[in-house]
Amino acid sequence: GAGVSQSPRYKVAKRGQDVALRCDPISGHVSLFWYQQALGQGPEFLTYFQNEAQLDKSGLPSDRFFAERPEGSVSTLKIQRTQQEDSAVYLCASSLRPGYSSYEQYFGPGTRLTVT
Amino acid sequence: GENVEQHPSTLSVQEGDSAVIKCTYSDSASNYFPWYKQELGKGPQLIIDIRSNVGEKKDQRIAVTLNKTAKHFSLHITETQPEDSAVYFCAARGNNNDMRFGAGTRLTVKP
Repeated sequence: GAGVSQSPRYKVAKRGQDVALRCDPISGHVSLFWYQQALGQGPEFLTYFQNEAQLDKSGLPSDRFFAERPEGSVSTLKIQRTQQEDSAVYLCASSLRPGYSSYEQYFGPGTRLTVT
Repeated sequence: GENVEQHPSTLSVQEGDSAVIKCTYSDSASNYFPWYKQELGKGPQLIIDIRSNVGEKKDQRIAVTLNKTAKHFSLHITETQPEDSAVYFCAARGNNNDMRFGAGTRLTVKP
């Protein structure tokens, strides 16, 4: 496929469970971003990767959130001990160029996480 | 940090009319301003963007204007069609990786 893909599309977790969300960026894209989108709001930045290096994790809301991109392509966002306030759509975006020269971001369809 | 405000939150127009959505930003260092369209159950799709060295950009029925002095930018859609109905987000990005989004405008185009 030519676009960004994410899986699963929907995830229901019981409070306290750990979840892992996967992102497959566009092939060859250097930059990868994770966003959290609450209902009725715009996406909020979580973290940024340039290849396999996590260069910015300033948006991660707590130490329960962890992201990795070990081989510089697929990325996983992990949330430990999920809480109800973690319920949101988690969006992944990729961009062709690195860092400050990177402009256009292409988003995946998102994973809707519901914590019960 | 950057703060982006977007108005209106909802907008309803008749098919064929124009629609205008406005955003303001707070960080004068911001230099990239994209607009995204998000349909139900999908991720945001980039529809047009503008960089700080340009005042206006047009792509068919869509145009964006930027006023750096006033720190505001607007999306203009002409000859609206029912398929333009969606939620539109503006965003602003400065010299970092943190792109800030507005809260969104739900546009409804009535046939």
